[in-house]
Amino acid sequence: KAGVTQTPRYLIKTRGQQVTLSCSPISGHRSVSWYQQTPGQGLQFLFEYFSETQRNKGNFPGRFSGRQFSNSRSEMNVSTLELGDSALYLCASSTPLGNTEAFFGQGTRLTVV
Amino acid sequence: TQLLEQSPQFLSIQEGENLTVYCNSSSVFSSLQWYRQEPGEGPVLLVTVVTGGEVKKLKRLTFQFGDARKDSSLHITAAQPGDTGLYLCAGDISSNTGKLIFGQGTTLQVKP
Repeated sequence: KAGVTQTPRYLIKTRGQQVTLSCSPISGHRSVSWYQQTPGQGLQFLFEYFSETQRNKGNFPGRFSGRQFSNSRSEMNVSTLELGDSALYLCASSTPLGNTEAFFGQGTRLTVV
Repeated sequence: TQLLEQSPQFLSIQEGENLTVYCNSSSVFSSLQWYRQEPGEGPVLLVTVVTGGEVKKLKRLTFQFGDARKDSSLHITAAQPGDTGLYLCAGDISSNTGKLIFGQGTTLQVKP
């Protein structure tokens, strides 16, 4: 069965621009979570979606937003990019009930210049 | 704020040595996962522990969940160069949230 697919793999943007990242979960997984990974802060939870609804949100500014579609695919958007937004953005899918066992995609490496 | 303290942060050992990585918190977790991440890739789930005191083995890797479900350890026996990578523990504060709290990770290098 296909794993979690994230596109694009790499992205270079300039400060002030906005960016949209995409995630297709494992078939049958209806929960999609997003994480930001940086060398200094490690993996930090951004938000989680289930049935097109944001169920949980981390401590990130409102410039970070997301959505989920009826086929469980998810997108996250970052507006007004800052240099500090440079990171590996990881999407994880899981079954929505019970313990969270996250299956991660390869990530999108975002570089803001 | 729920935190997971992972130690050590870095470990460089020779092939054949044993090692233990610790993951500690003051919070109780409904479950705890261990992941391994290669450079440029996403974390890969190794194991999930749910019951206090639970021990799980995966070949040369032994995972233990503390009795109070606040801490966990990963022990690798006779480490091999293929074990090199970033090891992450992640705690699930409550079920049905889709949110994991991650430790800072342990970078393991096993030299041949």
